Formats: sequence, C-alpha cells, structure tokens
Amino acid sequence: DIQMTQSPSTLSASVGDSVTITCRASQSIGNWLAWYQQKPGKAPNLLIYKASTLESGVSSRFSGSGSGTEFTLTISSLQPDDFATYYCQQYNSYSRTFGQGTKVEIK
Amino acid sequence: QVQLVQSGAEVKKPGASVKVSCKVSGYSLSDLSIHWVRQAPGKGLEWMGVFDAENGDTIYAQKLEGRVIMTEDTSIDTAYLELSSLRSEDTAVYYCATEGLHTGFENWGQGTLVTVSS
Repeated sequence: DIQMTQSPSTLSASVGDSVTITCRASQSIGNWLAWYQQKPGKAPNLLIYKASTLESGVSSRFSGSGSGTEFTLTISSLQPDDFATYYCQQYNSYSRTFGQGTKVEIK
Repeated sequence: QVQLVQSGAEVKKPGASVKVSCKVSGYSLSDLSIHWVRQAPGKGLEWMGVFDAENGDTIYAQKLEGRVIMTEDTSIDTAYLELSSLRSEDTAVYYCATEGLHTGFENWGQGTLVTVSS
C-alpha cells in the first residue's frame, strides 16, 4: 500500500499568516492527490483535487502544488475559520490512503 | 447533487458484529462507488474499502480483510458496511463517501458512531 506522510503534525499560526503543509507519498502517485479540511464533529470537506485544482466554492486562499511524491498545501492570510485539521489523500491506487493529519492551531 | 444519509449510532460488545447503512439520494447508487472511511476518537482518517459499482467488486484495506463486508441494495439505493469480531479499537465514527470523476471524496455521509464496549 502507498503510505502518505504529512508534516508537521501540528502548526501554530496567527490570523493573517501564510502556512504550508507538506505531504509525501511512499511512491509516485502522479497528481492523484486531494486535500481536505476537517472541523471537530464534522465530516471532512474536499478543498483541492488533482494536487492543485480548487474544489468549487473553496476560497482561493487555499492552493496546492506538487506531483510524484511531494505535495504542499498553502493557506494564505489565515482566517479564524481556517483553524482546523487538514489531511492529504492519494487516489492513485485502488487502495486509498490518507496522511495522518495536520492540526492548524491559533498561536 | 449526491446526498448520503447514514444510520444511527450503535453500541456493541466485543466480538459482536455491526452493520451500518448509507442511503443515497440525488443519484443512482448503481452509478456510484461507495467508499467507507473511519475515524477513531482523536485520531486520523482511515480508508476501509470500496464497493466498486462498475464491476460489483469490493476492495478492502488489508488490515480489515476477513472482518469487513461491503454490500449494496440498489433497489433502495442503500449501501452497507458490516464489521465483525468487533474489538475496542473499532470504536470510531464510520463515514460513507463518494468520489467525483478524477477528484477526491466530494460527498460524505454525516457519520455513524460505533462504540465497542463491554
């Protein structure tokens, strides 16, 4: 199975900051990578797919990049609503896998 | 727009089985592949498997092989997840989800909490 490793596990930032989360795949997945935001008690929400395509209705402050084995999610000008946990997920293989998550906390 | 509505919370004893349902509306279940994802309390997301609508095949996460069964009843547009030989580590919120074309999981159920406790 393809393993997905996110870093950091936790990130402390202030409103207005720009932050970057990294996701590494154990083997090449092309650009078959999605990013999700999850808030406590809620189902995850798709933000980005195919590594860099913004899901409809998602703020342009979110952006994704990368291909192969290394990917990043950048959130520019953090807003209070952005403090949440973020997951990457590969869908290159039949067996999907998620990263372990990155919690973005208020500093 | 696909909507997924799951069955209610369950409490089970270790060794028992649980069956969670996921009712689809806004689309025909026979045209969808239903994935199942779980999340233990305070932990990350774990993909469990998929019922592939295209060929009727199931693909399960290796660690769950032998304990998990995913089925569908297209006559009532409902998908099912059955997990057997439950242990405390299976306590989690279980989600059904669907993918778009070449996207990630666009649609999610509201989640079903399964608690395994003696």
